[in-house]
Amino acid sequence: GAVVSQHPSRVICKSGTSVKIECRSLDFQATTMFWYRQFPKQSLMLMATSNEGSKATYEQGVEKDKFLINHASLTLSTLTVTSAHPEDSSFYICSARPRGRARDTQYFGPGTRLTVL
Amino acid sequence: DQQVKQNSPSLSVQEGRISILNCDYTNSMFDYFLWYKKYPAEGPTFLISISSIKDKNEDGRFTVFLNKSAKHLSLHIVPSQPGDSAVYFCAASASRSGGSNYKLTFGKGTLLTVNP
Repeated sequence: GAVVSQHPSRVICKSGTSVKIECRSLDFQATTMFWYRQFPKQSLMLMATSNEGSKATYEQGVEKDKFLINHASLTLSTLTVTSAHPEDSSFYICSARPRGRARDTQYFGPGTRLTVL
Repeated sequence: DQQVKQNSPSLSVQEGRISILNCDYTNSMFDYFLWYKKYPAEGPTFLISISSIKDKNEDGRFTVFLNKSAKHLSLHIVPSQPGDSAVYFCAASASRSGGSNYKLTFGKGTLLTVNP
C-alpha cells in the first residue's frame, strides 16, 4: 500500500510552453502533498506545500505564478510549469502525507524528468 | 545555505561489513531527523527516523545515532548487503516550522555501493 504515482515520468517540451505534472495517491487519501525539485547531484528542494482545498504555500524564491499547484482532491495534486524555459529543466518529485498520519510519513512519487529545449 | 549536509557523495563497502553514512546540520531548530533510501528512477522511501529526545534508534540492520551537541547524525547498516546499494538522503524537520506541515530539508545524498 501507500503508492504515489506521477505522470508523466519524462517530458520534453519547447521553451515557452506549459507542462502539467500529476501526482496521485493511489490507495490512500492525502491531506498534504509536497512538490520538490532536484537538480543533478543536489538535494531535493521543497518548492511548495499544498493542502487539499486550499492554496499552496510556496517556499521563498519559488514563483507561484510560474509553478501553479492545484490540490483539488484528496488523491490528486498537479504542478503546472508555465512558460517553461531551459533553466526549468529538472527532476520534479512529489510526496503525499496520508490523512491522520505522523510527521514522518511522506510517500514519494517516482519523479518526473522535465527537459525544456 | 545548506542546512543539512552530507559531505560524502559516495561510499563503497564490502558485503557483510558495516556501512556508516554521516549527516551534519546547522539549524538548531531541527528536532526530527529521517533517512530515506532512493533507487534510480524511483522516489525516496522512508528508512528510519529519530527524534531529538533520543540519541539512538534501531530497526533491524539499521541504526541511527544522533549527537545533538555536535549537530551530527549517522546511519549504520550492519551487515551491509548488495541490495542496500542506493542513494541515502538525510532529512530534518522542525516542529515549529510550517505548522502541521513539518517541512523536510534534505541533504544532497550519499551513494552507497555494497560490493559482493
